[in-house]
Amino acid sequence: EPEVTQTPSHQVTQMGQEVILRCVPISNHLYFYWYRQILGQKVEFLVSFYNNEISEKSEIFDDQFSVERPDGSNFTLKIRSTKLEDSAMYFCASSTKTGNYGYTFGSGTRLTVV
Amino acid sequence: GENVEQHPSTLSVQEGDSAVIKCTYSDSASNYFPWYKQELGKRPQLIIDIRSNVGEKKDQRIAVTLNKTAKHFSLHITETQPEDSAVYFCAAQTGGSYIPTFGRGTSLIVHP
Repeated sequence: EPEVTQTPSHQVTQMGQEVILRCVPISNHLYFYWYRQILGQKVEFLVSFYNNEISEKSEIFDDQFSVERPDGSNFTLKIRSTKLEDSAMYFCASSTKTGNYGYTFGSGTRLTVV
Repeated sequence: GENVEQHPSTLSVQEGDSAVIKCTYSDSASNYFPWYKQELGKRPQLIIDIRSNVGEKKDQRIAVTLNKTAKHFSLHITETQPEDSAVYFCAAQTGGSYIPTFGRGTSLIVHP
C-alpha cells in the first residue's frame, strides 16, 4: 500500500532556530497538506497546497511558516524561527483529488523546541 | 467556521462490548464526515466515512450514523477487541473548503 513518508521522525531544535520538515507524498496525489497535533489535543489544519501554490491556510500558518515543493517528489514545511509553542507532532497528508475524500497521512515528525 | 465537538474524551470497555463515540458539528453546509483511528505513536488512518446523502454506513464491526437535522454523527464499534484500542477522531468537512475540522479525539481502551 502506498505511503506518505516523513523525515525526520523526531527533531529537537533550539528556540529561534529554523527547521525544515520533509514529506514525500504518494506519487499520483495532487493535493498536499500539513497538520499539527499538540500533545493530547486535536489535529489542526495548517495549510493545503495544489499546483505549486497554497490553496488554503489557517490562522496558525503565519509568516513564520512556509511550504515548498522543490522538486517532483518532496513537500516541505519550514518554520523560520521556532518558538516553544511550535512543539508538536507535524503530519503531512496527501490526496488524489480535492473534495469529500479522506486523506493519507504520513507517520509524522515530532518537533521539540527547547 | 466549523466547530466539531467529540464525546467522550475517554472510553473504557471490556472486550466484546460495544463502543459508541459521538460528534456534533455546527456548520449545516458540512457534507462529508470521515473517522480516523490513531494508534499510539502512529499516523491517523481513515477507517470509515459518510456523506450527507446517507444516514448510515457499515463496514464489518464498524458503523457510522449521521443525523443531519440534529447535526450529529456517531461511530459504533461492535464486539470490540484489544486491537481496537486507539484514539479515534471524527471530522466534518464542507463542500466549499474540503478541509476537515477535527474533533478532540476519543481514547478508546478495550480491556481483554
